[in-house]
Amino acid sequence: EDQVTQSPEALRLQEGESSSLNCSYTVSGLRGLFWYRQDPGKGPEFLFTLYSAGEEKEKERLKATLTKKESFLHITAPKPEDSATYLCAVRTDKLIFGTGTRLQVFP
Amino acid sequence: DAGITQSPRHKVTETGTPVTLRCHQTENHRYMYWYRQDPGHGLRLIHYSYGVKDTDKGEVSDGYSVSRSKTEDFLLTLESATSSQTSVYFCAISESGGSGNTIYFGEGSWLTVV
Repeated sequence: EDQVTQSPEALRLQEGESSSLNCSYTVSGLRGLFWYRQDPGKGPEFLFTLYSAGEEKEKERLKATLTKKESFLHITAPKPEDSATYLCAVRTDKLIFGTGTRLQVFP
Repeated sequence: DAGITQSPRHKVTETGTPVTLRCHQTENHRYMYWYRQDPGHGLRLIHYSYGVKDTDKGEVSDGYSVSRSKTEDFLLTLESATSSQTSVYFCAISESGGSGNTIYFGEGSWLTVV
């Protein structure tokens, strides 16, 4: 059965303390991996798409990487405004979402 | 801003009553989707549309129906609401259904069934 697992469920960081979020997947036939950011009371906001192992994408303090079994979202020197839930989704013949990592960054 | 408007944004309804959620897009995208989001679950697809009057079921379609009479509008109907349908509902759009196609989400509709 296709599965997407995100870890940790929640992460508390001090401002400036870099860390990584993980999205591991067991699927047959990966056609793309997506990262979204979701703020409380809002819809998911698209961040990145990755297609093949070794691919990397960057946007401001965020960098997403992909291997054959997992993806990492690296957050460098985070700020309080980076606080949000980060979702990953894997596309096979359908789109499967993980349950997200809730990130809190404190000043 | 993905050009998606959902209405109503918040609704409280009684068990057994019909409810319709509306999604309107200004992007002229071919595909439209309805998802629900519940604690402990990832976003789950209810129904989707790949064109006017062309719709198909997702993984959690029981108790829901949809209609799409115009490119820009996609309606989700709960024929007889139940407490298990209390959830946040998101409309989403994409240009096509291709493997790498990005899905963009609306702001959500919070539905409480009492």
